[in-house]
Amino acid sequence: GAVVSQHPSRVICKSGTSVKIECRSLDFQATTMFWYRQFPKQSLMLMATSNEGSKATYEQGVEKDKFLINHASLTLSTLTVTSAHPEDSSFYICSAARPGGAYNEQFFGPGTRLTVL
Amino acid sequence: RKEVEQDPGPFNVPEGATVAFNCTYSNSASQSFFWYRQDCRKEPKLLMSVYSSGNEDGRFTAQLNRASQYISLLIRDSKLSDSATYLCVVSGTGRRALTFGSGTRLQVQP
Repeated sequence: GAVVSQHPSRVICKSGTSVKIECRSLDFQATTMFWYRQFPKQSLMLMATSNEGSKATYEQGVEKDKFLINHASLTLSTLTVTSAHPEDSSFYICSAARPGGAYNEQFFGPGTRLTVL
Repeated sequence: RKEVEQDPGPFNVPEGATVAFNCTYSNSASQSFFWYRQDCRKEPKLLMSVYSSGNEDGRFTAQLNRASQYISLLIRDSKLSDSATYLCVVSGTGRRALTFGSGTRLQVQP
């Protein structure tokens, strides 16, 4: 199957700092990537849909100025959590849709566990 | 009401047992259905797609009832390695993003 990587896998930061998470599709060009967030014992919740070369589409309730998404190339999308606070601590997972693949087929990255102190 | 609802479990079953999970979804326009598996602190991995005609993959059988908006997963001859959280996932019309249930936790015991 296709491979999607995320970096870093884990980050611990102080409140008020910004954290950038990278999502890369390693063996295919992804025109669309998705960012999800998962709090403990809860489901994955879609935060935003990232389309290469255009602005991301954010889900209701997700602050676009706080969660900055950049999809500047066909293999890389970044999520920056600006001025992170303890309530932003979560498991952030990206996924990528492969052109030509099944419509809903997505390949997930291994996730980034963010802890804000 | 959640878009996708699952019994959180946990389901504790002995090795070799048969176990069934159910899931209901609220959006009648949903078109694609999946079961994913998620191990602790890992990303979800696709287990199987679910079709109206029902489908089987080895020990796993998935069924979809569109009229009742209900999806099921049956696991036969449970293995220790089946211990994980099983996520019911749906996707709607013209929307590639996936909607996840909160998962059902399975613990297979020796």
